[in-house]
Amino acid sequence: DAGVIQSPRHEVTEMGQEVTLRCKPISGHDYLFWYRQTMMRGLELLIYFNNNVPIDDSGMPEDRFSAKMPNASFSTLKIQPSEPRDSAVYFCASSLMAFSGNTIYFGEGSWLTVV
Amino acid sequence: GNSVTQMEGPVTLSEEAFLTINCTYTATGYPSLFWYVQYPGEGLQLLLKATKADDKGSNKGFEATYRKETTSFHLEKGSVQVSDSAVYFCALSGSSNTGKLIFGQGTTLQVKP
Repeated sequence: DAGVIQSPRHEVTEMGQEVTLRCKPISGHDYLFWYRQTMMRGLELLIYFNNNVPIDDSGMPEDRFSAKMPNASFSTLKIQPSEPRDSAVYFCASSLMAFSGNTIYFGEGSWLTVV
Repeated sequence: GNSVTQMEGPVTLSEEAFLTINCTYTATGYPSLFWYVQYPGEGLQLLLKATKADDKGSNKGFEATYRKETTSFHLEKGSVQVSDSAVYFCALSGSSNTGKLIFGQGTTLQVKP
């Protein structure tokens, strides 16, 4: 089985540009998570979906960030306009169901640099 | 709210040394506990987990025991290898059944030959 697939793996963009990160979860997984990793703040949950519906977006830093999941096999995280402080690694993850002991599977991350 | 605290790194060890990375947590109810590992340039991989008190998770020579009385889930390995060099994250999933993980800050392990 393919794991969680993210694209692009690396992106360098200029401040003010729109950035779109993409994710394909593991087939059959009902939950999808977006995390951000920075040196200062570690791993933070930005938003998660259940059956394509956003359940908790309290971690989304501000209105410049938006996430969608139009179908069970695709999600996007968009930053518009981007700022240098958005530079981070963005991880998408998925899981089969939401119970406390369930394993969450991570993609390899999208490494974003905003200059 | 729920939180995880890990020992600060980096931890530098010689090959075949004994490893302990401390992890303590704060949570209501009965969370599940996890250790994830991140190798350079890669995503996070589940290393082991424990879902109830006194459970021991183990994988690839690593072990951790869920201690409710001390709210701890320390990671141990008897003999580390250079290939174990990575960042290790302790995490919890609360008992509210949302499935989302709360991570510690991560501990960098460097093993020298």
